[in-house]
Amino acid sequence: AQSVTQPDIHITVSEGASLELRCNYSYGATPYLFWYVQSPGQGLQLLLKYFSGDTLVQGIKGFEAEFKRSQSSFNLRKPSVHWSDAAEYFCAVATNTNAGKSTFGDGTTLTVKP
Amino acid sequence: DAGVIQSPRHEVTEMGQEVTLRCKPISGHDYLFWYRQTMMRGLELLIYFNNNVPIDDSGMPEDRFSAKMPNASFSTLKIQPSEPRDSAVYFCASGTGFTEAFFGQGTRLTVV
Repeated sequence: AQSVTQPDIHITVSEGASLELRCNYSYGATPYLFWYVQSPGQGLQLLLKYFSGDTLVQGIKGFEAEFKRSQSSFNLRKPSVHWSDAAEYFCAVATNTNAGKSTFGDGTTLTVKP
Repeated sequence: DAGVIQSPRHEVTEMGQEVTLRCKPISGHDYLFWYRQTMMRGLELLIYFNNNVPIDDSGMPEDRFSAKMPNASFSTLKIQPSEPRDSAVYFCASGTGFTEAFFGQGTRLTVV
């Protein structure tokens, strides 16, 4: 069975600073990987996804993530954080037989300092 | 498309009462998922359907929980009887076998 680890429970960055959120997965075959964002009281919004091909994927809101098979990682990055990025971020993994059935990490809460 | 629609958005009920959560998936999606989100356990998959048929209900915590999908545009998650530990945010999501899950806004359930 697949699993996801997000090592950082909480991260604080200053507005305008760069951001990297870590995600490690465990799955025997090529996974489908996702990053979702959840603002308070809201549902999950997809930021980006990796199914195959280019290992650097671009998402919405200026986010990108890089799939590194050798490290079983799919870290999320943003070069300059905005105050509106404060939210909880979830990494998720799904198998290549059912992309919608995802296993989620525990989430990383991002706080942005002015 | 309006996306995945869940109702109600908030539900407060007394322990022992029956609770029914509702979901309308995105038209054309053949998979439907019910997730539960709590502080202690994070996001857990409870059950999912494919073409209205329950495929995997191994995440359903107890027999008090049941889910149905009578047609392609409607699903319910029922808790009977409800208990305070069922308090959580319940998400419905839909997708195809080849896309990510599209999530609804969730139903925040409080059992007092």
